[in-house]
Amino acid sequence: GESVGLHLPTLSVQEGDNSIINCAYSNSASDYFIWYKQESGKGPQFIIDIRSNMDKRQGQRVTVLLNKTVKHLSLQIAATQPGDSAVYFCAETNYGGSQGNLIFGKGTKLSVKP
Amino acid sequence: DVKVTQSSRYLVKRTGEKVFLECVQDMDHENMFWYRQDPGLGLRLIYFSYDVKMKEKGDIPEGYSVSREKKERFSLILESASTNQTSMYLCASNRRIQETQYFGPGTRLLVL
Repeated sequence: GESVGLHLPTLSVQEGDNSIINCAYSNSASDYFIWYKQESGKGPQFIIDIRSNMDKRQGQRVTVLLNKTVKHLSLQIAATQPGDSAVYFCAETNYGGSQGNLIFGKGTKLSVKP
Repeated sequence: DVKVTQSSRYLVKRTGEKVFLECVQDMDHENMFWYRQDPGLGLRLIYFSYDVKMKEKGDIPEGYSVSREKKERFSLILESASTNQTSMYLCASNRRIQETQYFGPGTRLLVL
């Protein structure tokens, strides 16, 4: 989920388990959402995106679910691996609007235990 | 693949120094962005640019300026570095303003 204060929420999972990372977005007008992965000391890396006309999108080992009713986004990682350890954060924007840079969440730290 | 590069991975500067952070993208993207990232605060937008020689203030422009003389290059300038500007600085670019932004590796700046 979204972090408050100085410490990121942490999700700790066993290698091979599935991970679910959640994000509550703020703007009901947002219609485009992105998940990023940021490994320690590196820049954020695009994982997957979804538009508001969809409620589910799948990539390689990742699935994003969108619930517009409660303004909730989740990222599911199947068969989590040690290389998935990173901070994950969501971003939202109003794709069809005249303005609208991305608004980023503060992130969740995923820790994978071998 | 989109490639965004930043001139330095690590920088150590003294208070009062003028600091230049350079960012280059190779995908002919129209838009470029500078963020800083601090623990607990996430990504905060400093400045962005829609086109060459154009710039717009983000959420925290104070103490910073930018320059975009060429489409592929966007520079962040700290006119007089202060210790509260110690941070991770991230550059990003995209084709359309509401689309996915692609990030560089970041520059970790320490101001002493």
